[in-house]
Amino acid sequence: GAGVSQSPSNKVTEKGKDVELRCDPISGHTALYWYRQSLGQGLEFLIYFQGNSAPDKSGLPSDRFSAERTGGSVSTLTIQRTQQEDSAVYLCASSLGSSESIYNEQFFGPGTRLTVL
Amino acid sequence: AQKITQTQPGMFVQEKEAVTLDCTYDTSDPSYGLFWYKQPSSGEMIFLIYQGSYDQQNATEGRYSLNFQKARKSANLVISASQLGDSAMYFCAMREGYNNNDMRFGAGTRLTVKP
Repeated sequence: GAGVSQSPSNKVTEKGKDVELRCDPISGHTALYWYRQSLGQGLEFLIYFQGNSAPDKSGLPSDRFSAERTGGSVSTLTIQRTQQEDSAVYLCASSLGSSESIYNEQFFGPGTRLTVL
Repeated sequence: AQKITQTQPGMFVQEKEAVTLDCTYDTSDPSYGLFWYKQPSSGEMIFLIYQGSYDQQNATEGRYSLNFQKARKSANLVISASQLGDSAMYFCAMREGYNNNDMRFGAGTRLTVKP
């Protein structure tokens, strides 16, 4: 079956422009996560969605960052007025999100490499 | 507060030898799960191994095993018989509780296997 897909794979933009990054999770996965990974660094949690619950936005670094998940499936991460420090790989992951088991393997997409000039 | 701590930014190991990558965690929830992921230079995240807080035995998956010391809150990854293809970043992660699907990752350890 299809894995997590993300688009675009690469995005180059100018400082000050808005960008939208898309994530298609695995069908049936109720939990969806966004992470940011700067060059050579670890994963920085940004936001996660669980079913129809309010998303956990605690990791968003500023109000320029927002995300939505439509119909419990596709998610879009939007960065407004991009800055050079936003340059990173943005990873999306999904999981079954079961509340019956602690086991919660996340399946990651290939990421979107964002470069802000 | 940091939930997951990986204190080794980089590690080197000789091919065919074993290596231990450290991970300590912080939680007050008795129910939690610990995960290790591998990220090669290609960038994809590959799930390696899982340990539940109530599991009586240390998890093993092929050449990967998890040295789970609950009282010390450590979950070190042991890779036996290292191969050149094991060179990658390794991340430890934790999920706390049954009703919380949030996963937090450590900063990672870069492992280099030398021929």
